Amino acid sequence: DTGVSQDPRHKITKRGQNVTFRCDPISEHNRLYWYRQTLGQGPEFLTYFQNEAQLEKSRLLSDRFSAERPKGSFSTLEIQRTEQGDSAMYLCASKRQGANTGELFFGEGSRLTVL
Amino acid sequence: QKEVEQNSGPLSVPEGAIASLNCTYSDRGSQSFFWYRQYSGKSPELIMFIYSNGDKEDGRFTAQLNKASQYVSLLIRDSQPSDSATYLCAPRPSGTYKYIFGTGTRLKVLA
Repeated sequence: DTGVSQDPRHKITKRGQNVTFRCDPISEHNRLYWYRQTLGQGPEFLTYFQNEAQLEKSRLLSDRFSAERPKGSFSTLEIQRTEQGDSAMYLCASKRQGANTGELFFGEGSRLTVL
Repeated sequence: QKEVEQNSGPLSVPEGAIASLNCTYSDRGSQSFFWYRQYSGKSPELIMFIYSNGDKEDGRFTAQLNKASQYVSLLIRDSQPSDSATYLCAPRPSGTYKYIFGTGTRLKVLA
C-alpha cells in the first residue's frame, strides 16, 4: 500500500495559463475524489469518480475545470485559463468500494499559486 | 445554514487539559461521522469514526454522537503540543457520493 500520490506537489503559474494535476489512488480503490482547500477552510468537493465514470460534479465548478479518469486508475484535473482565485491546495482522495467505514484516504495535495 | 458547522477557533488549551471540539450538522439522514486531523500544510488523516449514539473511545480520543440533537463532538484527553492541528468533521454521505467537510477547528495546545 503506497498511499495516494499526487503530482506535482507545487505549481506556480501565471494567470491565463493551463495547469494539470495528476492523482494516483491506492491500487485497489475504485472510488476517487478531488477536493479544493483554501486557507482556513475545510476541503470543498469538486468531483467524484467510480472507476472511470464521473458520477458527481460540484455545481460550483466552472467550465474551466475538467477531470478525467480514463482507465479507472489515475486521474487528472485540468484548470484552463487560470485565475488568481484558483490558488488553493488541490487534494485527491480515494476509497475502496464496500469498505466498512467508508473512510477517504487523502494524498499530500498539489498546491497551486496563480500569479 | 451550512451542512456541517464547526467553530473555526483557534481553541487554545494548556498541555494536559481536555480539548473539546464540536460539530453540528443539518442532514437528519446522516448516520455516521468522521473526525479527521490535519496538520498545517499536510493532508487530512482519519482519527475517529462513529456510527452509534453515545461515546466511542480510542486512546486519548473520545467521539460523542447525539443524533437527536444533530451534534457530534471530539474530546482529546491529556492534550499534547503534538495535537495542535485542525480537526475536521464530516458525515458519511447519505443519498450522495460527496463527503461534506466542516471548516475545521484549529486547536493549539500550549506547552
